[in-house]
Amino acid sequence: QKEVEQNSGPLSVPEGAIASLNCTYSDRVSQSFFWYRQYSGKSPELIMSIYSNGDKEDGRFTAQLNKASQYVSLLIRDSQPSDSATYLCAVNAGGTSYGKLTFGQGTILTVHP
Amino acid sequence: DADVTQTPRNRITKTGKRIMLECSQTKGHDRMYWYRQDPGLGLRLIYYSFDVKDINKGEISDGYSVSRQAQAKFSLSLESAIPNQTALYFCATSDLVAGGVMEQFFGPGTRLTVL
Repeated sequence: QKEVEQNSGPLSVPEGAIASLNCTYSDRVSQSFFWYRQYSGKSPELIMSIYSNGDKEDGRFTAQLNKASQYVSLLIRDSQPSDSATYLCAVNAGGTSYGKLTFGQGTILTVHP
Repeated sequence: DADVTQTPRNRITKTGKRIMLECSQTKGHDRMYWYRQDPGLGLRLIYYSFDVKDINKGEISDGYSVSRQAQAKFSLSLESAIPNQTALYFCATSDLVAGGVMEQFFGPGTRLTVL
């Protein structure tokens, strides 16, 4: 089992819809969680971080964390064509993995007009 | 000016050549990382350094070496490049923020092709 798994995609949604991106992780002691957006040929850009159970909202983005289920998600409301990118989930485990991020393989999102 | 810079941005080389990729940062972060990205495999950690005297192997360090010349500089070397090292390479930096959360910031990447 991979340490961090994302829904395989690609995910295609119409403009204005809600895009839902999911991520599960295997290490129960994981402490902090991040969502990065990566446009083709560009570097990953941090868009959300979350470390407590529940929801965290920032503009059109909402991150949701459920540590009991080892699950983190990203919702994008009112999706725009400019949201079309690869979304990477990253997990920072504690203990001997402290300070390192483990990334999922990414989910490609396409928002069509 | 960019906070994290990488040189070169693109490089084509031949099998067996020694290659150095360089990373510099002006963010004042202590922690620096090298990743490679291959299609469908996400980002994989090659080496990381928590300060100038602390260098650690990541999950795929074989065939690579690093040097932390200063707090702001972290170089990645391929001693004898091989074609399966063709990939996009990213440098990243991080620092602790409130609550112990570790946010990483990425450079623009180096696209390396080994023929």
